[in-house]
Amino acid sequence: DGGITQSPKYLFRKEGQNVTLSCEQNLNHDAMYWYRQDPGQGLRLIYYSQIVNDFQKGDIAEGYSVSREKKESFPLTVTSAQKNPTAFYLCASGHRGSYEQYFGPGTRLTVT
Amino acid sequence: QKEVEQNSGPLSVPEGAIASLNCTYSDRGSQSFFWYRQYSGKSPELIMSIYSNGDKEDGRFTAQLNKASQYVSLLIRDSQPSDSATYLCAVNSFKAAGNKLTFGGGTRVLVKP
Repeated sequence: DGGITQSPKYLFRKEGQNVTLSCEQNLNHDAMYWYRQDPGQGLRLIYYSQIVNDFQKGDIAEGYSVSREKKESFPLTVTSAQKNPTAFYLCASGHRGSYEQYFGPGTRLTVT
Repeated sequence: QKEVEQNSGPLSVPEGAIASLNCTYSDRGSQSFFWYRQYSGKSPELIMSIYSNGDKEDGRFTAQLNKASQYVSLLIRDSQPSDSATYLCAVNSFKAAGNKLTFGGGTRVLVKP
């Protein structure tokens, strides 16, 4: 089965803790993206990567970090520096050179 | 001015009617346009892509693009209750590096039986 997986589906953390969200794809896509969605809002780009070992900041990168050590994986760390981390986090992937993006099921993070 | 604008809705349509959704964008250099459907609590699903002026039909969905007027629309014919969802418009960012998309805030559609 080809697709994008994100884990866990729900995540609860205490304020001040770092947390890492997993994103894996077996679609052989070069490009991967992380978005954040707040209730009733559109998607905002956090980080994106077009090739292994390279990534760029999106529109709201502060308080987040990523790595791209493997083509299939693009984990996102939400650090304690992120002021409002509670949100729905979506990972997407696509072929390099194409703007089509396909989304994983998302991780809903709640920080209290 | 937002880069990609949509009416947030809700757009209420009776079952069997046509739902018409609009999206305007500010980057005149944009070349790729997408519609995503997002059910409540779920992730967005790509349902239509359009790259040239005019209409593109796929089943009950028709995307319309007018680059001169900088708008893209989505028509849903014979609307069904299962079409009730939020529809996100996404446009490529010509000015930015990488294959970035900018998303509108979405239009919520309610199809009433």
